[in-house]
Amino acid sequence: GAGVSQSPSNKVTEKGKDVELRCDPISGHTALYWYRQRLGQGLEFLIYFQGNSAPDKSGLPSDRFSAERTGESVSTLTIQRTQQEDSAVYLCASSTQETQYFGPGTRLLVL
Amino acid sequence: QKEVEQNSGPLSVPEGAIASLNCTYSDRGSQSFFWYRQYSGKSPELIMFIYSNGDKEDGRFTAQLNKASQYVSLLIRDSQPSDSATYLCAVYLGNTPLVFGKGTRLSVIA
Repeated sequence: GAGVSQSPSNKVTEKGKDVELRCDPISGHTALYWYRQRLGQGLEFLIYFQGNSAPDKSGLPSDRFSAERTGESVSTLTIQRTQQEDSAVYLCASSTQETQYFGPGTRLLVL
Repeated sequence: QKEVEQNSGPLSVPEGAIASLNCTYSDRGSQSFFWYRQYSGKSPELIMFIYSNGDKEDGRFTAQLNKASQYVSLLIRDSQPSDSATYLCAVYLGNTPLVFGKGTRLSVIA
């Protein structure tokens, strides 16, 4: 069946611009997660959506980062006024219970 | 603070040997334990998971839990160069996202 999909796969932007990253979870998965992974580093938790509950935003690094989710479907992660340190792979995952399945990621490069 | 610790490696093993990857966790309430494999430039993919009640074997992979010492192991038998990757351990505490370790890089030498 279809897995988690993310778009775009690659994004190059200039410092100061806003970017929007999209995640389509596996159908029926109630939970959705965003992570950031810098080159050679581990996964950095950003935000977690579970059904209609308020999202857990505890991992967002600054107020330039925000995310939304429409019901139990698509999610968008928005980074405003991008900085060079935002360059990383942004991974989305979804789950029904505890097992998380990852999308292919969006590789973001801020020049 | 819920923590999952892994040796960053690299762990180098010869082809055909057993690779043993370990992970320690801080929360005794951990309910299930996951191993993901991440190839360079790719996203993590689930290898296997176990619950707190026992070990599991799947092909060349075995996951073992030592609850008393709070560590979980992944054994890879007959290691192949294609097993070379970073292995991420993750722990589920209940109603929260998985807590991930930073991963151990495994290199299988032909």
